[in-house]
Amino acid sequence: DVKVTQSSRYLVKRTGEKVFLECVQDMDHENMFWYRQDPGLGLRLIYFSYDVKMKEKGDIPEGYSVSREKKERFSLILESASTNQTSMYLCASSLVREGRETQYFGPGTRLLVL
Amino acid sequence: AQSVTQPDIHITVSEGASLELRCNYSYGATPYLFWYVQSPGQGLQLLLKYFSGDTLVQGIKGFEAEFKRSQSSFNLRKPSVHWSDAAEYFCAVGPLSTTSGTYKYIFGTGTRLKVLA
Repeated sequence: DVKVTQSSRYLVKRTGEKVFLECVQDMDHENMFWYRQDPGLGLRLIYFSYDVKMKEKGDIPEGYSVSREKKERFSLILESASTNQTSMYLCASSLVREGRETQYFGPGTRLLVL
Repeated sequence: AQSVTQPDIHITVSEGASLELRCNYSYGATPYLFWYVQSPGQGLQLLLKYFSGDTLVQGIKGFEAEFKRSQSSFNLRKPSVHWSDAAEYFCAVGPLSTTSGTYKYIFGTGTRLKVLA
């Protein structure tokens, strides 16, 4: 079974704090993703990574950065948290077989920025 | 532009009734299509996926979906809903090429299912 874990289920931070969200997958997947989920907006892609140290901006990268130093770990960083970053953050990794890709998700981190 | 639409924000059905959740997409070629389910406070779980071949796809938990190219749809169905099916359901479509030559997927805004006892 594919297992994607996220370091925290719930986080409460203050405006201006630096926030790290960690994601680990145990299936040697090449690609990893960070999404945020907000009511009525569905999932929006923040950043993704297709290899170690490689990253690409998604649809809403502003205010975020990422790090992928090891294949199994993909971190999302909020350099200076703001209240509009209060959201549910979902990590995913993907299995690619014969050009066909399937994403598998972690349990999510619900972040509250006060 | 590629897009995916889930027209129904909320759906309420009685336990034991049949269910159909709608998903419409806009895509230039034959897409890859997915349905995920999210229980409250949880991540997304893959229900089923379509890459090619048989247009009727069977998934987990008794769900199925049918790819209809002429209607640009990939609707999710279940013949008899259980109270435990109450959740939010997301349709996704891709692949969309990116600047790095990799691919990403886009997700609908979700349909929240309520099941009446």
